[in-house]
Amino acid sequence: DTGVSQNPRHKITKRGQNVTFRCDPISEHNRLYWYRQTLGQGPEFLTYFQNEAQLEKSRLLSDRFSAERPKGSFSTLEIQRTEQGDSAMYLCASSLISAGRDEQFFGPGTRLTVL
Amino acid sequence: AQSVTQLDSQVPVFEEAPVELRCNYSSSVSVYLFWYVQYPNQGLQLLLKYLSGSTLVKGINGFEAEFNKSQTSFHLRKPSVHISDTAEYFCAVRRYNTNAGKSTFGDGTTLTVKP
Repeated sequence: DTGVSQNPRHKITKRGQNVTFRCDPISEHNRLYWYRQTLGQGPEFLTYFQNEAQLEKSRLLSDRFSAERPKGSFSTLEIQRTEQGDSAMYLCASSLISAGRDEQFFGPGTRLTVL
Repeated sequence: AQSVTQLDSQVPVFEEAPVELRCNYSSSVSVYLFWYVQYPNQGLQLLLKYLSGSTLVKGINGFEAEFNKSQTSFHLRKPSVHISDTAEYFCAVRRYNTNAGKSTFGDGTTLTVKP
């Protein structure tokens, strides 16, 4: 069990550029979640997948945001035409849904700074 | 919908003193309850969880929490804190349902342990 990994750990970009983040979950986990955390606040839910199916998207997820999990393993989160308000820590978590228990294991996050 | 209120944004305490971090929640349905810890520039680590059964839950690092359904609270306690407990602590809830994946977090409490 190597844990949830996220790449890159830090990303600095200019406003208007596109960025893509990757999350590799714990290998046997079938659920994968994306959260966004801004300074001084708790994580806010963005979206989650069960295997390759995207089951829920937050209203926070504007049209500029898209997430995929093509083979039910790793996931990517893309932000198009970044804005300064997108600056945040993007957290990925994974879990194994089993008998009603669904403990989420978090990765270290990707910190995005939009200049 | 669920919401979480962490009643103290900052809690300073001296080493070896007891501490309580307060969490209240609001939900129209039954929920699971969690406490996470976040160290600087790291992801969230699960401290403890309440799923069902005994309302007193013990977690890692000597922490415990008590679920109080009538007061809709889930306060975190530790009888004697260490310098290494300095971190951000988040309370979270999730609907009591296998298909309800997302967690709702509070805004966090910064625990600072002073020598």
